[in-house]
Amino acid sequence: DVKVTQSSRYLVKRTGEKVFLECVQDMDHENMFWYRQDPGLGLRLIYFSYDVKMKEKGDIPEGYSVSREKKERFSLILESASTNQTSMYLCASRDRVPYEQYFGPGTRLTVT
Amino acid sequence: RKEVEQDPGPFNVPEGATVAFNCTYSNSASQSFFWYRQDCRKEPKLLMSVYSSGNEDGRFTAQLNRASQYISLLIRDSKLSDSATYLCVVKGSGAGSYQLTFGKGTKLSVIP
Repeated sequence: DVKVTQSSRYLVKRTGEKVFLECVQDMDHENMFWYRQDPGLGLRLIYFSYDVKMKEKGDIPEGYSVSREKKERFSLILESASTNQTSMYLCASRDRVPYEQYFGPGTRLTVT
Repeated sequence: RKEVEQDPGPFNVPEGATVAFNCTYSNSASQSFFWYRQDCRKEPKLLMSVYSSGNEDGRFTAQLNRASQYISLLIRDSKLSDSATYLCVVKGSGAGSYQLTFGKGTKLSVIP
């Protein structure tokens, strides 16, 4: 059974803290993605990676960085958390073909 | 023009009704099209792909009109369990081919 797991379901951090969100997939997929989802704004792509050590900016990369040292793991880093980064963060993975994208359960991050 | 546009709804329909959602996309070079379903506080999951010839999966029918750049989803004999948000998704081409672009979703509530 396909699986994408995220390190936390709920996270509360303080402004200025460094935050790590971890994502692991067990499907040997090449492509991995980080999105945030906010009411009224839908899913917005932050970063994606199409191979180990490769990364590409999505639509809203400011304030975020990523790391992909192993194929199965894709980390999202908030260097200095701010209140406007309070959101639901969703990780996803996808093979080159077919294009079905599998999502993790999400991490609801609150920055106070 | 936004890349993928959907009517946010909500569509409130009685059980057994037929309901249709439309979605328009702006990039005429888009290659692949999908409908995802997202339950409240859950991750999106693939409902069905959309083929040029149209395709049907049980009570669900998806159609693509490339000339007018829209995609539709028809749900027949609505069930309470169909209540969810339906996301229209488009896969780009060329430099954008790694990415799926998600619409903001159409919310469906099926009422007894």
